[in-house]
Amino acid sequence: QLQLQESGPGLVKSSETLSLTCTVSGDSISSSSYYWGWIRQPPGKGLEWIGSIYYRGSTYHNPSLKNRVTISVDTSKNQFFLKLSSVTAADTAIYYCARLTGIAARRGIIDFWGQGTRVTVSS
Amino acid sequence: DIQMTQSPSSLSASVGDRVTITCRASQYIGTYLNWYQQKPGKAPDLLIYTASNLHIGVSSRFSGGGSETDFTLTISGLQPEDFATYYCQQSYSPPYTFGQGTNLEI
Repeated sequence: QLQLQESGPGLVKSSETLSLTCTVSGDSISSSSYYWGWIRQPPGKGLEWIGSIYYRGSTYHNPSLKNRVTISVDTSKNQFFLKLSSVTAADTAIYYCARLTGIAARRGIIDFWGQGTRVTVSS
Repeated sequence: DIQMTQSPSSLSASVGDRVTITCRASQYIGTYLNWYQQKPGKAPDLLIYTASNLHIGVSSRFSGGGSETDFTLTISGLQPEDFATYYCQQSYSPPYTFGQGTNLEI
């Protein structure tokens, strides 16, 4: 049974770097069928696509986050990671990791989500 | 970025009703349109992908349609468990943007 579990600090200080880990169980992160991604949801608001990664290391991140995003993968541990630098209160959100599927390069269908982890940025 | 606009933002309905939510893309996206359901305190769940394909395990009460820029999600015979927030999302061009959500209330 597929499970995605986010982990990381729930509280990050303003201007510091948010670091999250997504541990995948029940599937191989090295599957050629899937990408792996991060999505966030500020309190009471909608969903925002952060970025995604393929197991071979190719990544995409949302330009709106102004190059503050780094997404990486460790296939040996079946994990992938999110780093968001120079955080502000606007980065306070629930962060979800997810499995992405689709056709060819258009792997944007989120067919499985982690439960999400709440991150608060404090001043 | 492709902008996704849902309407209405909120919708009141009763058990047994049929409701339709619309989603409009700011540019052509073919049928690369997906729908998600989110209940309070939970992660979203995929309902429909590529405009009209029902995800595994999703009730046939849900149906989707449309292409190019205009799409619909229809729920027939509303059940109590269907009251939730619904999001559309385009997977045509990254960043794979979402609509603002439609809150379906009793």
